Formats: sequence, C-alpha cells, structure tokens
Amino acid sequence: EVQLVQSGAEVKKPGESLKISCKGSGYSFPNYWIGWVRQMPGKGLEWMGIIYPGDSETKYSPSFQGQVTISADRSTSTAYLHWISLKASDTAMYYCARRRVTEVGDPFTVWGQGTVVTVSS
Amino acid sequence: QPVLTQSSSASASLGSSVKLTCTLSSGHTTYIIAWHQQQPGKAPRYLMKLESSGTYNKGSGVPDRFSGSSSGPERHLTISNLQSEDEAEYYCETWDSNTHVVFGGGTKLTVL
Repeated sequence: EVQLVQSGAEVKKPGESLKISCKGSGYSFPNYWIGWVRQMPGKGLEWMGIIYPGDSETKYSPSFQGQVTISADRSTSTAYLHWISLKASDTAMYYCARRRVTEVGDPFTVWGQGTVVTVSS
Repeated sequence: QPVLTQSSSASASLGSSVKLTCTLSSGHTTYIIAWHQQQPGKAPRYLMKLESSGTYNKGSGVPDRFSGSSSGPERHLTISNLQSEDEAEYYCETWDSNTHVVFGGGTKLTVL
C-alpha cells in the first residue's frame, strides 16, 4: 500500500527552528514528486513547494520562496519541510502529497495525514 | 499562472445530486484539473483527474456516484445519490510547468 506518513504535532515558540517529515512507503520514493501544502485554520489549501527526490530538484511557490526549505533523503524515503525562524503566522496544518512524473503533469494523488504546527509565545 | 475559481458553498438534499464547478482563468481553459475531497478534520483525498475533453480518471476506491465533466473553462464534479459522508470541502487543483501547483478556494458542500 502506498503511504505517506508525517511526523507528529509540534508546538514551538516564535524564532525557533523546526523540521517536519513525510516518509513514503509502498513505492519507489525517488521517482515521484513530493509536495508540501499549507492549510491555515479555517482556510483553503496553499501549495508551498515540491521536490523530486531522484535528483533533489526543488521548486517553490513565490509566496513561500525564502520562507521554508524543502529537502529529501532517498536513503530513508523521507521528505522534509524546514523553518529556520518560525512566526506565529506559520501556525497551520501542513500536508505532504505525492505526484507522478509525466509529460503533461499529474495531480497529487496520495496525501499524508498532516502535521499540525502551532507557534505561540 | 492559472487561477481556479470555485463557489464558496453549495447544498443539496440527501439522496439528490449536486454539481460543483471549478472555472479556469482565461488563457488556461484547456488545462487538466483534479478534484479533492476534504471531510471535516481529515486530510484531503484525491477523487479524480479531469481533462478538457471531459475524460476523467478516478482514484482508487472512489464511489461510482462521483463523476466529472467539462464545458469550456468549467470543470464539474457531480455527486449523485448524496450521502451524509459527502458533506465536505471540495477543492480543485491544476498545475503549470508540470509542477507549479494551484488550488481553487474550495466549495463547502452541505448535505441537507
């Protein structure tokens, strides 16, 4: 069974760093894009960025460029979302999701269960 | 970059049908989209990929009650024989340059 399993809930203070994870199983991890999606409380889905673990090619939404870093470790089939200095406005649910590599593109077809991040002093 | 427009809310009665719409912005009217369902308190779930021709491919386990169709810039999700568990937020998704992703604002469906 194809699965994306995310790390647990986090409570942090403003200015702290954080790295959350998304572990893929049941498929060839290097050969699919993994994206990150933010959902602020009561709001919709926002695409943050995406990584291709096969060669670590990474793309960011302009809204999140410079605010977060996306990485992946092929050896553990895990993708990461990293903040250097959290803000209260980073409080949200974060989802990872997988998409295939095709010529015309493909949607996110497998989603992680989500990681809630709370940033509060 | 494409923009996806969805109505913020919709409602329909138990056992009836409802058609949700996602509209692509000008210049992007032939784009493929996907529909996702997010039940309250849960992660999104992929429902289907929908092409401009109206051809759609559903995800594993998606009931037959869910179908897709297209008309110009509009991409539709029709849910027949509405069940209580269909009460959810529905998002459309598209992408540019193969990986630059855009989501619609979501439609909250209430089953009466």
